[in-house]
Amino acid sequence: GAGVSQSPSNKVTEKGKDVELRCDPISGHTALYWYRQSLGQGLEFLIYFQGNSAPDKSGLPSDRFSAERTGGSVSTLTIQRTQQEDSAVYLCASSLLWENYGYTFGSGTRLTVV
Amino acid sequence: EDQVTQSPEALRLQEGESSSLNCSYTVSGLRGLFWYRQDPGKGPEFLFTLYSAGEEKEKERLKATLTKKESFLHITAPKPEDSATYLCAVQARYGGSQGNLIFGKGTKLSVKP
Repeated sequence: GAGVSQSPSNKVTEKGKDVELRCDPISGHTALYWYRQSLGQGLEFLIYFQGNSAPDKSGLPSDRFSAERTGGSVSTLTIQRTQQEDSAVYLCASSLLWENYGYTFGSGTRLTVV
Repeated sequence: EDQVTQSPEALRLQEGESSSLNCSYTVSGLRGLFWYRQDPGKGPEFLFTLYSAGEEKEKERLKATLTKKESFLHITAPKPEDSATYLCAVQARYGGSQGNLIFGKGTKLSVKP
């Protein structure tokens, strides 16, 4: 597509429920990144994919968080048993090569856990 | 530990009043330093990448410069439409943080007419 598409744009969920966030990167972009942005905080790196593999999962906050990418394209970030501290904007970005510069970001998914 | 610190946290300018935003960084070998602009409710929008000390890049009223320890984003004669949060990020050449960008918390710029 023309840009990075994320869905849903907003998600309100009850504490303890599981959520899935979707990212559709720019066609042909081999690298895909997930970041989290909390109020008053900088962007926090979660995970990145090169193709379908994730060389760096070091940013995932806990084992409740997981991500996958299929077909070198769409990625889903899953949060199990959501907690209130998971509330944030989850941003996805893609780039042509893992070491390329100038990621293109999506508009994010605003997750609110009540 | 790789780290990015931006200052000030917030900056209010009158239209036409030039100023600079600062980004100080420590990184285990700099692969690149990035500037992004973020408008409310949107993802960051790429502005510049700088690779080595002494490098400068310009785009309209914005000019980014880089030294071995910091980068500046100079805004000349800003307009209200330049109001946004400006984010700085670094990508490391070595160490466990290769491949991802490490962001500062940003500078929120407001330009009043």
